[in-house]
Amino acid sequence: SQQGEEDPQALSIQEGENATMNCSYKTSINNLQWYRQNSGRGLVHLILIRSNEREKHSGRLRVTLDTSKKSSSLLITASRAADTASYFCATAPWSGYSTLTFGKGTMLLVSP
Amino acid sequence: NAGVTQTPKFQVLKTGQSMTLQCAQDMNHNSMYWYRQDPGMGLRLIYYSASEGTTDKGEVPNGYNVSRLNKREFSLRLESAAPSQTSVYFCASSKGLGAGEGNEQFFGPGTRLTVL
Repeated sequence: SQQGEEDPQALSIQEGENATMNCSYKTSINNLQWYRQNSGRGLVHLILIRSNEREKHSGRLRVTLDTSKKSSSLLITASRAADTASYFCATAPWSGYSTLTFGKGTMLLVSP
Repeated sequence: NAGVTQTPKFQVLKTGQSMTLQCAQDMNHNSMYWYRQDPGMGLRLIYYSASEGTTDKGEVPNGYNVSRLNKREFSLRLESAAPSQTSVYFCASSKGLGAGEGNEQFFGPGTRLTVL
């Protein structure tokens, strides 16, 4: 069963704009991770945020986590055409010794 | 450092045929995973291996078997392929199975399988 659900399913923006995608989940987590998948490729890990963290930055990426609402958001600032990809959130359950559960992804299209 | 490699990249099978998908990692990771990705379904875990010598079922194990050949290699076998197994298959590895930082997953490039 899917734990994380991304929103929106698809997002189309112009280069230079910011892109925000959201992830909601159902059960308590240890951490939440975001991955990127370029067309026809495997997933690449972007960033991990732990349940006791509220915000984390990595380059042009900013991730927030609200455990009370069971939601996370990924912000990509000043988007580039190369950011065109699908973005997935993945949750690690609180119990710790278990596998990740991936959402269905948000497809981002950045037009030049 | 190749990371996670998968063979083959593409495969077409007829219903009832069998095949093995190969996966290898060179990062000295303990845990390995097999996922399938279907349109609109995201990634679904088929089987995983927490460490060498162990394997466990994931969300959608029916119709598949796995072998953790050694620490580096984890293979996925379809004994009697069905059209419902048409999908893109990804292998991944991580340092460990736990949820702690440092256990992010590294993915291979995928195998596109079509079963006619």
